[in-house]
Amino acid sequence: EIVLRQSPGTLSLSPGERATLSCRTSQSISSNYLAWFQQKPGQAPRVLIYGASTRAPGIPDRFSGTGSGTDFTLTIRRLEPEDFAVYYCQQYGYSPETFGGGTKVEVK
Amino acid sequence: QVLLVQSGPDVKKPGASVKVSCKASGYRFTDYLIHWVRQAPGQGLEWLGWMNPKNGGTNYAQKFQGRVTMTRDTSMTTAYMELNRLTSDDTAVYFCARAWNTAVAGDWGQGTLVTVSS
Repeated sequence: EIVLRQSPGTLSLSPGERATLSCRTSQSISSNYLAWFQQKPGQAPRVLIYGASTRAPGIPDRFSGTGSGTDFTLTIRRLEPEDFAVYYCQQYGYSPETFGGGTKVEVK
Repeated sequence: QVLLVQSGPDVKKPGASVKVSCKASGYRFTDYLIHWVRQAPGQGLEWLGWMNPKNGGTNYAQKFQGRVTMTRDTSMTTAYMELNRLTSDDTAVYFCARAWNTAVAGDWGQGTLVTVSS
């Protein structure tokens, strides 16, 4: 099973600041199968990025994904109030599909 | 638009089984895999497996092999996830999600809270 480790666990930032979230996998994966999800309390996850760098339809361009091999990054260029949430990375190219433990982006 | 509407919350006793439904609309049901993911209270996301509505094929996470069954009723465009031999560790919100052509779980149901308690 491929283990995904996200860091930091919590990111305390102010609106307008840049957020950088990391996801490291226990073995190299195809970047075609790395996704990022946003989840707000009481809601289902929403896909932001798939294929490591492709924004899902309707996702603002302040969200960007990069990376390959074992190191992946989600960047939120300028945090908007609605961006404070929990973010998960997921690899979906190998069974079992696995998620990282999440990074909570909270208001400083 | 694509909609996945899940069944309501359920409470089960340890050892019992639960069956969660996921009614799909807005697209051709047989063209896209349905995944099931769960989230224990305050915890992260855990993948249970997927089901192919076209032929009923399944791929379960090894952790749930022998305890989970994913099925579908194509006439009702509904997918089902049944989990047996429940314990308190199975208390979670269970989500269904439709995989896009790119394989990512792109559209999600609202979630179903399953509580296992004696």
